[in-house]
Amino acid sequence: SQKIEQNSEALNIQEGKTATLTCNYTNYSPAYLQWYRQDPGRGPVFLLLIRENEKEKRKERLKVTFDTTLKQSLFHITASQPADSATYLCAPPNSGGYQKVTFGTGTKLQVIP
Amino acid sequence: EAQVTQNPRYLITVTGKKLTVTCSQNMNHEYMSWYRQDPGLGLRQIYYSMNVEVTDKGDVPEGYKVSRKEKRNFPLILESPSPNQTSLYFCASSRRQDNSPLHFGNGTRLTVT
Repeated sequence: SQKIEQNSEALNIQEGKTATLTCNYTNYSPAYLQWYRQDPGRGPVFLLLIRENEKEKRKERLKVTFDTTLKQSLFHITASQPADSATYLCAPPNSGGYQKVTFGTGTKLQVIP
Repeated sequence: EAQVTQNPRYLITVTGKKLTVTCSQNMNHEYMSWYRQDPGLGLRQIYYSMNVEVTDKGDVPEGYKVSRKEKRNFPLILESPSPNQTSLYFCASSRRQDNSPLHFGNGTRLTVT
C-alpha cells in the first residue's frame, strides 16, 4: 500500500542555518506533491506545490525538490528564523486522485535563537 | 476574507450523545473534506465531497456521517460518539481540480467521555 514517511518527529536547528526536511513515498508515483505548515492547534496552511516534471521550486526562503527516481521530496528553509518553528507536512495525492490527499505525519521544526 | 469556518472549536460530550460539527467555506469551492488528526497518526481523511449531494468515504469513515446539501456547508455528524473518536478534527476545501491547495479550518477539538 502507499506509504509516506517524513524524517524524524523533531528537528532542532540554530537560527540562520538551513533546515532540510525529508518526505519519502513508496509504492506509487504521485504527479505532484504539496507542502503545508501547521502551527499548534491550528489547521495546516499551504506553502508550495511541486510537479513531477519540476526538479525544484522556490518561494522566498523556501525551496522544494522532487526526485521521482529516489521517490523523495526535500523541503529547505534557508536563513531559518524562530518564527519558522512549526510542523511541516508533505501531502501527495494518493493513487485515487487529488480527492484523497494523503498527509505525512509531519516533521516538527524548532529554530533556536 | 476567504476562510473555512468550523464550529465549535472545543466540544466535550458523553458516549452516545449525537453531535454535529459544522463547516462552512466562503470561497465557492466544490470540494470539501473532513480529517481527523491524532498523535503519531497524522491527518486521516474521514469523508470528502466533490460537489453538492456528492460524498464519498475517506480512509476512516466508520462512525461518521456527512451531508452536502449546499455548496458552502459540509457538516460532520457523529450519531453515537465513542471515546475512540476523541480527536482534533479539520474541515478543508479546495477548487475541484488537480493541484489545488487545500484551505483548512482552525479545527474542532472533540473529547468523548
